[in-house]
Amino acid sequence: KQEVTQIPAALSVPEGENLVLNCSFTDSAIYNLQWFRQDPGKGLTSLLLIQSSQREQTSGRLNASLDKSSGRSTLYIAASQPGDSATYLCAVPFYGGSQGNLIFGKGTKLSVKP
Amino acid sequence: SQTIHQWPATLVQPVGSPLSLECTVEGTSNPNLYWYRQAAGRGLQLLFYSVGIGQISSEVPQNLSASRPQDRQFILSSKKLLLSDSGFYLCARGVGEIGYTFGSGTRLTVV
Repeated sequence: KQEVTQIPAALSVPEGENLVLNCSFTDSAIYNLQWFRQDPGKGLTSLLLIQSSQREQTSGRLNASLDKSSGRSTLYIAASQPGDSATYLCAVPFYGGSQGNLIFGKGTKLSVKP
Repeated sequence: SQTIHQWPATLVQPVGSPLSLECTVEGTSNPNLYWYRQAAGRGLQLLFYSVGIGQISSEVPQNLSASRPQDRQFILSSKKLLLSDSGFYLCARGVGEIGYTFGSGTRLTVV
């Protein structure tokens, strides 16, 4: 059974710092891994989708890495800003039968202080 | 566009009342659709998924039901709400190879 874990559960940093969020998964046979952002009371916004054949994906100040063999992914945020404050979730798709759904970690709540 | 529309954004309902939450999606036809619930302090739980019109699968036994009357419409319902049905409900579309898109969610409070 696939399980996804995110560490730390919460993180507070001063503005301008570079930071790393961690995600681990127990079953390395994944298609891909997706990082999401959730603002309080809002839906999920997809940040990066990294395929199993890829090692990295970049979007602006965000960089996601994937190491399937070790069951780990990291989300690197460069030069953090107060607007980056949100909960960050990682998820991998699970296949049972003919459909797929996402298995989520419980998220890392990030607070960037001005 | 793979936009997902959910409404209402917030809802306060008394215990025992019925519920209907609607989700409509844009973009490619015959999408896989999902209903997730996010309870306070807990992770995202898959409630229902649908691979086509009239095809609904339930992941957990509960007081809720789902229907898909049209290709791009997914409805979450209840005949009688319980306090434990309170939470944040999210509709999503996607498949593993392509990724997933989520709607903006409905905050349901049962009082």
